[in-house]
Amino acid sequence: EPEVTQTPSHQVTQMGQEVILRCVPISNHLYFYWYRQILGQKVEFLVSFYNNEISEKSEIFDDQFSVERPDGSNFTLKIRSTKLEDSAMYFCASNLGSIYGYTFGSGTRLTVV
Amino acid sequence: ELKVEQNPLFLSMQEGKNYTIYCNYSTTSDRLYWYRQDPGKSLESLFVLLSNGAVKQEGRLMASLDTKARLSTLHITAAVHDLSATYFCAVDVHSNYQLIWGAGTKLIIKP
Repeated sequence: EPEVTQTPSHQVTQMGQEVILRCVPISNHLYFYWYRQILGQKVEFLVSFYNNEISEKSEIFDDQFSVERPDGSNFTLKIRSTKLEDSAMYFCASNLGSIYGYTFGSGTRLTVV
Repeated sequence: ELKVEQNPLFLSMQEGKNYTIYCNYSTTSDRLYWYRQDPGKSLESLFVLLSNGAVKQEGRLMASLDTKARLSTLHITAAVHDLSATYFCAVDVHSNYQLIWGAGTKLIIKP
């Protein structure tokens, strides 16, 4: 069964450093998303991406965040200057449209120290 | 602002019992999703509910959607230990663009 692949599985970074989280969505999917989950808390929407542009973003997704689809397969989330409160599990998801559901990757645990 | 509320947030039950998790949401939507999450793991899709009156079943789990009441239920029949996990409902807003999530129900099933 096709999977959404995320790398790395765990990243530790110093506060103020830039991080790039990488995702390979399912190859024929059209919509791409980033969500995050602070430990023990609810899942929060960050951004959706379609047709090479951001479709929607949340208040969390401020100027420190950016997304890119640099080639036909990768979808990245960049945090420019990490803060302690950015520590969370970040999930990438993709789909063909919401009526088909959303497929999530295994997540990247980001720890900012 | 769309709010999604699940209850209960924590449920401890014995194997063999039945129980229901409730998911209420505050604005119009006809797309609701149920996910399972094991500790430290990803979000596994359980059900996609796309219309009023939708009912789906998989094994011991059954989900339903009442869009008029803005309510979805996840019913567990004759629970087994392997169903222990956290269950989330999520509501689609602005179709294709964003899911708003409930807080999750942590389910513990004791042998």
